[in-house]
Amino acid sequence: DTGVSQNPRHKITKRGQNVTFRCDPISEHNRLYWYRQTLGQGPEFLTYFQNEAQLEKSRLLSDRFSAERPKGSFSTLEIQRTEQGDSAMYLCASSPGRASSGNTIYFGEGSWLTVV
Amino acid sequence: AQSVTQPDIHITVSEGASLELRCNYSYGATPYLFWYVQSPGQGLQLLLKYFSGDTLVQGIKGFEAEFKRSQSSFNLRKPSVHWSDAAEYFCAVDVSGNTGKLIFGQGTTLQVKP
Repeated sequence: DTGVSQNPRHKITKRGQNVTFRCDPISEHNRLYWYRQTLGQGPEFLTYFQNEAQLEKSRLLSDRFSAERPKGSFSTLEIQRTEQGDSAMYLCASSPGRASSGNTIYFGEGSWLTVV
Repeated sequence: AQSVTQPDIHITVSEGASLELRCNYSYGATPYLFWYVQSPGQGLQLLLKYFSGDTLVQGIKGFEAEFKRSQSSFNLRKPSVHWSDAAEYFCAVDVSGNTGKLIFGQGTTLQVKP
């Protein structure tokens, strides 16, 4: 079990540029989540997938944000036309999705985004 | 609206002393509750979870938490704190029927004095 893997770990970009983050979940976890965390705050839910289907999106996820999970394995989170307010840590998490035994969510190390 | 409150933003304890971090939630149904720990610049590590059954749950690193439905609380405890426990601690509630959509508290920063 290698854990949830995210890359890049850090990204500095100029305002207006596009960025993409990748997340590789724990093997055989069918649920994958994206959260955003700003300094001094707890993480906030953005979206989640059950296999390749995106089942829910938060109102925090503006139309500049898009997430995909092709083939139900890794996922990407793309932010278009970045703004300074997008600066945050983007956390990916995965879970087995088994309601009977509890749906424990495991987080990755996060991807820091700084928009200058 | 569902919410999680961690009343203490910052706590300082001496090494070897006991610790209790408070967490209160507002949620109408049976909650699924979690405590996570985060070191600076790192992701979140799961300490423990409560889904059902025994209301006193044991976690990693010597932590435990007790679910009290009457008080809507899920406080985290450790009998003897180590310097390596200095970190930020987050309480979280799954508010959508075990889907993994978590609402987090604002976090409590723990400082450990030598």
